Amino acid sequence: GAGVSQSPSNKVTEKGKDVELRCDPISGHTALYWYRQRLGQGLEFLIYFQGNSAPDKSGLPSDRFSAERTGESVSTLTIQRTQQEDSAVYLCASSFISNQPQHFGDGTRLSIL
Amino acid sequence: TQLLEQSPQFLSIQEGENLTVYCNSSSVFSSLQWYRQEPGEGPVLLVTVVTGGEVKKLKRLTFQFGDARKDSSLHITAAQPGDTGLYLCAGEGGRGSNYKLTFGKGTLLTVNP
Repeated sequence: GAGVSQSPSNKVTEKGKDVELRCDPISGHTALYWYRQRLGQGLEFLIYFQGNSAPDKSGLPSDRFSAERTGESVSTLTIQRTQQEDSAVYLCASSFISNQPQHFGDGTRLSIL
Repeated sequence: TQLLEQSPQFLSIQEGENLTVYCNSSSVFSSLQWYRQEPGEGPVLLVTVVTGGEVKKLKRLTFQFGDARKDSSLHITAAQPGDTGLYLCAGEGGRGSNYKLTFGKGTLLTVNP
């Protein structure tokens, strides 16, 4: 596709379950980013990938959060043992290289019951 | 930690009115970006300002970067209902972290017909 694609668009799960969120960046974009947007808040940086490496994981809130990227393409963000405070929209963005404009997907709205 | 304060947080105006949104920080940014986000979608980049004192115009939208590169404003002339949305400013970090965007909490604009 032409843009950044995220799936699922919505996810409802019970507290304590693990979830996987997927991001397909724009083809050819080497840089990929994950953000979290809580209700009424701005975007909170989580992690940055350059190729398949993550030189900056400083925004991951706890060790329950992890992310990987393969083939310099698809990325997955995994949240283990979900908590209610994890409820948010998780946004993925990609850019051609790191200092170029970021293009965002439409996000995954995660709700923890 | 770099922070961006946006004001006002909410703005409801009538069609045809003018408005200004402010984005302020105590930190210097190498560039500042403005995004517009509609419900259920990711942010879309409107403009990037790089040089202190820079003014950019995009139809009825005027963006200004402060001389010290710590603040920015967005002015909309003769607002229309189609301008309704969440406006976010984001500062780009300096050398070594040029990939990292720090977002404000956003201004939710409603333009009533």
